[in-house]
Amino acid sequence: GNSVTQMEGPVTLSEEAFLTINCTYTATGYPSLFWYVQYPGEGLQLLLKATKADDKGSNKGFEATYRKETTSFHLEKGSVQVSDSAVYFCALVYGGATNKLIFGTGTLLAVQP
Amino acid sequence: EAGVAQSPRYKIIEKRQSVAFWCNPISGHATLYWYQQILGQGPKLLIQFQNNGVVDDSQLPKDRFSAERLKGVDSTLKIQPAKLEDSAVYLCASNDRVDIQYFGAGTRLSVL
Repeated sequence: GNSVTQMEGPVTLSEEAFLTINCTYTATGYPSLFWYVQYPGEGLQLLLKATKADDKGSNKGFEATYRKETTSFHLEKGSVQVSDSAVYFCALVYGGATNKLIFGTGTLLAVQP
Repeated sequence: EAGVAQSPRYKIIEKRQSVAFWCNPISGHATLYWYQQILGQGPKLLIQFQNNGVVDDSQLPKDRFSAERLKGVDSTLKIQPAKLEDSAVYLCASNDRVDIQYFGAGTRLSVL
């Protein structure tokens, strides 16, 4: 079936460090891929998305490229800030009209000053 | 534009009691979703509505969970009776015809 696997956390980094959170997926067809972020006490917010192979999604300094050959959608940021501390979820949508989201387990990022 | 509203934010009940959660989606959004997020896991879809009709409820434990969206706007999710394993955050989301879902802040349920 369709699923998303992302690296376990927590990931602890110092401010201005480089971030990579790995995400791989299993899906039939060609899903759309997403990264959602959940700040403490808040709901999930869309961070970025990509809808087809080789698309790059970007937002707030974060990037992720849809790699069909490796079925991956790794999240990267060149220089993290304390305010980036949150839980990051990789997700895919399949099913056409249903837009059903399948989430990974989430990765907690803690950025220390 | 107002976001997805959920209430209550927190609820503590004892097992075998009943509980209800309310969601008001973004105005004009035809599709509404309820997710269950257990600690340490990603959200899992419980039920999806298109207007006031159910599109997908395959993961809803129908012996104890029920949901309705009577007028195609607000929705209520109910658990009766609650079990310890129902402790989770219940998230509501909505969207229009695009693939981006907008989430509420969620209701954190603790079953003792």
